[in-house]
Amino acid sequence: EVQLLESGGGLVQPGGSLRLSCAVSGFPLRNHAMSWVRQAPGKGLEWVSVIGPGGGATYYADSVKGRFTISRDNSKNTLFLQMNSLRAEDTAVYYCTKAMGDINYVIFAFDIWGQGTMVTVSS
Amino acid sequence: EIVLTQSPGTLSLSPGERATLSCRASQSLTNNYLAWYQQKVGQAPRLLIYGASSRATAVPDRFSGSGSGTDFTLSISRLEPEDFAVYYCQQYGSSPGGTFGQGTKVEIK
Repeated sequence: EVQLLESGGGLVQPGGSLRLSCAVSGFPLRNHAMSWVRQAPGKGLEWVSVIGPGGGATYYADSVKGRFTISRDNSKNTLFLQMNSLRAEDTAVYYCTKAMGDINYVIFAFDIWGQGTMVTVSS
Repeated sequence: EIVLTQSPGTLSLSPGERATLSCRASQSLTNNYLAWYQQKVGQAPRLLIYGASSRATAVPDRFSGSGSGTDFTLSISRLEPEDFAVYYCQQYGSSPGGTFGQGTKVEIK
C-alpha cells in the first residue's frame, strides 16, 4: 500500500526549530520528486518546498526561503523538512506529498498525500 | 507570481445536480499545467485532475476538467453525497510547486 506518514510536529516558541519527517512506503522514493504543502487553520493550501528525486534540486516558497531546508534519505525512504526561525504565521498542518511523473520527467501535481502533522508556533 | 482566482466561493447544490467550478489565472498557463484537488473536512487533499483535463487514478468519470490559457473549469456531472467538499485548483507550470487557488466550497443546499 502506498503511504506517506508524517511526524515531528508540535508546539514550539517563536524563533524555535522543528524537524518534520515523512516515512514513505509502497513505492521507491528515489524515483520521485517530493514536496511539502501546508495549510493554516481554516485557510487554503500553500506550497512550501520541493526536492528532486536525487536531492540535488531544491526549491522553496518565498515565505520560507532561508529558514526551511528540505532533504531526503532515499536509502531510508524518508523525507525531511528542517524548520528554523519559526514564526506564528508558520502555524499550519504540514502535508508530505509525492509529485507525479518519475525521475526523467517530473509533473508538479501531487498525487499522494500524507495525513499531515500539525505545527503550532506560539509563546 | 501567477494568481489563481476561484469562483464562486461557495456553491449550494442538491445531490444529483451538476456543479461547475471556475478557476481563472492571472497569466496564461504553460501547457495547461492546472490541477484540481478535493478536500473533505479533516482529511488531506486528493488529486482529481491534472493537465487541466486528465483524471487521476480511481477518480470517477462524473468529474471532468476543461479549459485552457487562463480559464479552467471543474465539472461534477451529478453530485453524490460524498462530493460535498472544498475544491482547490493549482497551477504548476510557472515554478516548482506552483500556486493554489483559495478554494470553492460545495455544500448541500
